[in-house]
Amino acid sequence: EVQLVESGGGLVQPGGSLRLSCAASGFTFSSYSMNWVRQAPGKGLEWVSYISSSSSTIYYADSVKGRFTISRDNAKNSLYLQMNSLRAEDTAVYYCARAKLSEFDYWGQGTLVTVSS
Amino acid sequence: EIVLTQSPATLSLSPGERATLSCRASQSVSSYLAWYQQKPGQAPRLLIYDASNRATGIPARFSGSGSGTDFTLTISSLEPEDFAVYYCQQRSNWPRMYTFGQGTKLEIK
Repeated sequence: EVQLVESGGGLVQPGGSLRLSCAASGFTFSSYSMNWVRQAPGKGLEWVSYISSSSSTIYYADSVKGRFTISRDNAKNSLYLQMNSLRAEDTAVYYCARAKLSEFDYWGQGTLVTVSS
Repeated sequence: EIVLTQSPATLSLSPGERATLSCRASQSVSSYLAWYQQKPGQAPRLLIYDASNRATGIPARFSGSGSGTDFTLTISSLEPEDFAVYYCQQRSNWPRMYTFGQGTKLEIK
């Protein structure tokens, strides 16, 4: 069974940093591209970042470019999102999602990031 | 940047009725369009990919159609568990990015 479990969310002050993790199991992690998608409270879904299976290709949404860094460790079956210079508008539930081709076929349960003083 | 517009914003129907949800793209996305269902407090679940293919384990009452700029998700006969928010999503190649529609809330009438 495919499982994605996010962790690392919490309350952080504006300008602060946080590192999210996503532990994958039930599939060959090193064969799949992965993504982070977020959802602000009461709002819709917003794609954040993509990383290819070998980490050779990475993309970011304009809203996080230069502040967030996606990475992965295939030996540990783990995906990461380093978030710096956090703003109030980054407050959201962050989901890791496995990329199929053009869509996301499995999602984690999400981890809540709250940016507030 | 391709914008996806979903309509209606809210759809009020009764169990057993047919639901038709629309997603319109600001430019052609070929057939690379997906649909997701999200219930309160849960992660989204993939329903349809490549416009018309059901994902693993999705009941046959869910179907997708369309190509280019106009897409439809149809639920043939609503079950109580189908009342949720539905999102469409596409991938563009240059620049590479993924965008979602704003969602359609399907509520019980």
